[in-house]
Amino acid sequence: AQSVTQPDIHITVSEGASLELRCNYSYGATPYLFWYVQSPGQGLQLLLKYFSGDTLVQGIKGFEAEFKRSQSSFNLRKPSVHWSDAAEYFCAVSKGAAGNKLTFGGGTRVLVKP
Amino acid sequence: EPEVTQTPSHQVTQMGQEVILRCVPISNHLYFYWYRQILGQKVEFLVSFYNNEISEKSEIFDDQFSVERPDGSNFTLKIRSTKLEDSAMYFCASRTGYEQYFGPGTRLTVT
Repeated sequence: AQSVTQPDIHITVSEGASLELRCNYSYGATPYLFWYVQSPGQGLQLLLKYFSGDTLVQGIKGFEAEFKRSQSSFNLRKPSVHWSDAAEYFCAVSKGAAGNKLTFGGGTRVLVKP
Repeated sequence: EPEVTQTPSHQVTQMGQEVILRCVPISNHLYFYWYRQILGQKVEFLVSFYNNEISEKSEIFDDQFSVERPDGSNFTLKIRSTKLEDSAMYFCASRTGYEQYFGPGTRLTVT
C-alpha cells in the first residue's frame, strides 16, 4: 500500500528566508505526487503536482518541488517566505488514473516569524 | 474560477442522529470523493464515486456511511447513526483530470 511521511511536524522560518519541507513516499511504481496547502479555516489548495518528465516542478505562489526517485522524495521549496505562507502543508500520493484516491502525509505546519 | 462548495460549514449533532453533508462539485467533473480529517490527524480517504456508483472505499467507510448524487449537481455523504469518533472535518473533492479540487470542508461535531 502507498504511504507518505512528512518528518517535520512543525517548522518555524523567518520572513524572507528559504523554506524546505520534506516528503518521502512509499509506492511500488511511479507515483503521482502532489503538494497541498491548507490555510486556517480553509480547504486544501493544490500547490503543484508531478506526474512525469522534468523532475523539478513549479507551482503557484512561488513554490517548487523536486522528485528524486532514488530517495523516494518529493521535497517542497520556496526561496523566500512571506508571512502569508504560514499554513499547513500536505504531501500526497496517488497511484494514477484508477480510482486516484490520494494518500496524505501527516502535514507540516509552517510558522513565519517577522 | 469554478470551485467545490460544501454545506453546512459546521454541523453539530447528537450521537445516534443521522447527518447529511452536502457538496456541489465543479460542474464538468466526473469523479467525486469524500475525505475526512480528525483533529490533529492525517487527511484520510473515505470513498470515491464515478458513474453513479462507488469506485473505491476505505475501511472507515462502513455500513453507517453512504453517498449519493441525487441530481446533476449535488454529491452527499450520509452518516446514519453518528458516533463521537465521527467528529472531524469532512472534505469533498472532485476531478476531471488527475488533479483533485477540494471544498472548504464541513466540520462535524458529534456530542
